[in-house]
Amino acid sequence: AQTVTQSQPEMSVQEAETVTLSCTYDTSESDYYLFWYKQPPSRQMILVIRQEAYKQQNATENRFSVNFQKAAKSFSLKISDSQLGDAAMYFCAYRSPMIKAAGNKLTFGGGTRVLVKP
Amino acid sequence: DAGITQSPRYKITETGRQVTLMCHQTWSHSYMFWYRQDLGHGLRLIYYSAAADITDKGEVPDGYVVSRSKTENFPLTLESATRSQTSVYFCASSGSLYRRSSGNTIYFGEGSWLTVV
Repeated sequence: AQTVTQSQPEMSVQEAETVTLSCTYDTSESDYYLFWYKQPPSRQMILVIRQEAYKQQNATENRFSVNFQKAAKSFSLKISDSQLGDAAMYFCAYRSPMIKAAGNKLTFGGGTRVLVKP
Repeated sequence: DAGITQSPRYKITETGRQVTLMCHQTWSHSYMFWYRQDLGHGLRLIYYSAAADITDKGEVPDGYVVSRSKTENFPLTLESATRSQTSVYFCASSGSLYRRSSGNTIYFGEGSWLTVV
């Protein structure tokens, strides 16, 4: 079974600065999908960014980018030019490409709380 | 673009009562999921479905029942609610994994806050 680990329970960043969230995972599969979800106080789960393991290029979405290191099984999220609205819980998640639904669920890390200081 | 909607958004019920949380998606997604999230924790999978009439248990299925007679609906029923089932419940869906572009992304509803007293 896959596991996802987020080693930083909480990170603090000054507004307009950059913060990097760590995520490592354990899998024996060669093809898979990785995600970062944002959960603000409203508890809604919002997709931030997605990475397919077969792609070597790191995904980027505006101020959000990832550093995907497949060999190291590492998937960090960088938030540039942090804004007050970025304050939230961030979850790293893994999804298997297996056809059976049992393998299709998202496996989540424990989350990292991001605090943004004005 | 309605996406995925859950109802009710907020519910307070008494121990022992039956409660049904509804989930409806407008994308014709094949896969649907129910997760629960307890305060300060990540999400745990309760049940999932690969298609209409195909459902299976996740990590924490005890006390829950699901059905999926139509592709777009995936209701979750708590047969006899207990206080330990007080949680935020998320319904989610995704398309076929054969399409690599967006089918692999799981999209979430806004959550249903359930309190069992």
